[in-house]
Amino acid sequence: EEELLESGGDLVQPGGSLRLSCAASGFIFSNFAMNWVRQTPGKGLEWVAGISGSAGRTNYADSVRGRFTISRDNSKDTLYLQMDSLRVEDTAVYYCANSWGPNTYFDIWGRGTLVTVSS
Amino acid sequence: DIQMTQPSSLSASVGDRVTITCRASQTIRNYLHWYQQKPGKAPNLLIYSASSLRSGVPSRFSGSGSGTDFTLSISSLQPEDFATYYCQQTYSTPLTFGGGTKVEIK
Repeated sequence: EEELLESGGDLVQPGGSLRLSCAASGFIFSNFAMNWVRQTPGKGLEWVAGISGSAGRTNYADSVRGRFTISRDNSKDTLYLQMDSLRVEDTAVYYCANSWGPNTYFDIWGRGTLVTVSS
Repeated sequence: DIQMTQPSSLSASVGDRVTITCRASQTIRNYLHWYQQKPGKAPNLLIYSASSLRSGVPSRFSGSGSGTDFTLSISSLQPEDFATYYCQQTYSTPLTFGGGTKVEIK
């Protein structure tokens, strides 16, 4: 069964850092682009970042560019999101999702991990 | 950035035909996808490329449109369909979602 499982969410102070992980199983990880999407409690969905299957191309939302870094380790079937200089407004549930390419739909989603930025 | 606009909510009864609209601020061809989300759960893909039904999704769901105007239809609303529906464009980055349409019980 195809599955994504996020981890690493926590309570962190403004200005702090956190690294999220997303472990994949049930599909050939390196064949898929991967994405991070976040959802503020009670609000809508915001795409955060994407990375190609080979990790050769990355894209970011303006709201996180320069602070967040998306990466992947295809030998470990794992996606990462390094989040630095965190702000209160980064508080959200973070989902990882796969896609066939940079311009295609998000097929499989993880269950999400909660990041809370607060003093 | 491409803005995606959906109505925030609608009320309907079991058995009703429901149509949810999604408008893009510029043409996105057919790079439009629909997701269903229930409380506390991740979004679930229903329709991709504007009108293609994902395998395993009930046939009462359908999608149409191209360019800037799109619709998601549910032919006969079932109790399990009360949820929030999001459209998403993948025509260009940043990828963007509509604000979501919550389908509530009338």
